[in-house]
Parts: sequence; C-alpha cells; structure tokens
Amino acid sequence: QVQLVQSGAEVKKPGASVKVSCKASAYYGYNFNAYHLHWVRQAPGQGLEWMGWIKLNSGGTNYAQKFQGRVTMTRDSSISTAYMEVTRLISDDTAVYYCARDSCGGDCYSGGFDIWGQGTTVTVSA
Amino acid sequence: SYELTQPPSVSVSPGQTARITCSGDALPKQYAYWYQQKPGQAPVVVIYKDSERPSGIPERFSGSSSGTTVTLTISGVQAEDEADYYCQSTDNSGTYVVFGGGTKLTV
Repeated sequence: QVQLVQSGAEVKKPGASVKVSCKASAYYGYNFNAYHLHWVRQAPGQGLEWMGWIKLNSGGTNYAQKFQGRVTMTRDSSISTAYMEVTRLISDDTAVYYCARDSCGGDCYSGGFDIWGQGTTVTVSA
Repeated sequence: SYELTQPPSVSVSPGQTARITCSGDALPKQYAYWYQQKPGQAPVVVIYKDSERPSGIPERFSGSSSGTTVTLTISGVQAEDEADYYCQSTDNSGTYVVFGGGTKLTV
C-alpha cells in the first residue's frame, strides 16, 4: 500500500515563501519515479484547484497558468519526496495544499488521481 | 479557460438515487474522474475513467458518460454518502487539469 505523507502546517507572512513536501511511504520495490505527481489546493470553504504536476523520473513540470512564475515543483528521488514551493505569498494563498499521484504508472499520464496526501495547511497572515 | 460545470447542491432521502452531473466541452474526448470529500478530509476517488470503480468503493457508486456530460450515480444513498463531490478532467489537449466547482450532497 502506498501513502503520501505531507509536511506539517505552516504560517507565513505576506511576501514570504513556503515549501511543502510530499513523501511516498510504500512497500519495498515501489517505483517512486514511475508517476506524475500533482499539486492541488483548496482555500477555506472553496473547491479544489489544480496547480500543476511534476514528472518524477525526469523532473519535467507543467504548471497551471495562474501559478506560472510563482510556483516551483521539484523532487528528490533518493528519498522518494516531492516538493512544491510558492513564492511571494498573499492572503489568498491561505489554503490546504494536497499532493496527489497520477493514476497512470509507467511512461504514461492520465490526468486523474488515485492517491492523495493528507494535506498541508498554509496560512498567510501579517 | 476550460471549465467543468456541476450543480452546487443535490438533496435526496436515504435509500433514494442521487445523480450528480458534470458538463464540459472536452468530456467526449477526455476521461472524467469523481472524488468524494468529507469535511476535514482529503478527497477520495470514487470513479475513474468515466465509469470504473476503484477497489473498496461500494457498488452503489457508478459513473456514465453521454456526449459533453458525465454523471455520478449513487444508488440506495446512505447517510455516510453525505459529502462534497468533485468531477475532474483535462482540457482537449490533455495538458491542463480542471475540477468542477463541486456538488454538496445532502442526505
């Protein structure tokens, strides 16, 4: 069974940056690099918003237009961990941030998600 | 930008059938996924690739597709099914992921 375990809650001031991690906790032999990993956020009382994905074997990325220039997704395959950094934070970035695994493993991409992390609450407040 | 449209709310009595629709121009070409989200929890996939049900999801959950509309059907709704439901797909090119606005199911 595979789990995505995210880092803990963060409180940041406007203008600061935040980096959230997402670690795959899995059985021996699990191929972390075989998937795309997506990031999704949810502001308080609002719906889900897709931010982008990272292809874990190559590090290639694809960001939603809204976040281009302000979001960076990276990974460290040696520890089965992906990261998502948001810079120049504003109050509207206050949200729960989720990582989610693309449901297609191997050299493919589905655009749908089969496993989600537990979420990381990021609060932006002066 | 591409959008998926869901009704904001659906209300049914226990034992009835709930149907939640999701409309989008690219749905004839791209698969849809449905997620259930309960308060304070991460979403869980209940239907993938329009109509496939993951293991562990009750049989009362089903999905269908017709033209530009996909539908999540919950037969014999139970109190535990009360949650927010989101449809999700990609744009025509498959490049960008999109969520519907979500539907609050009240039982």
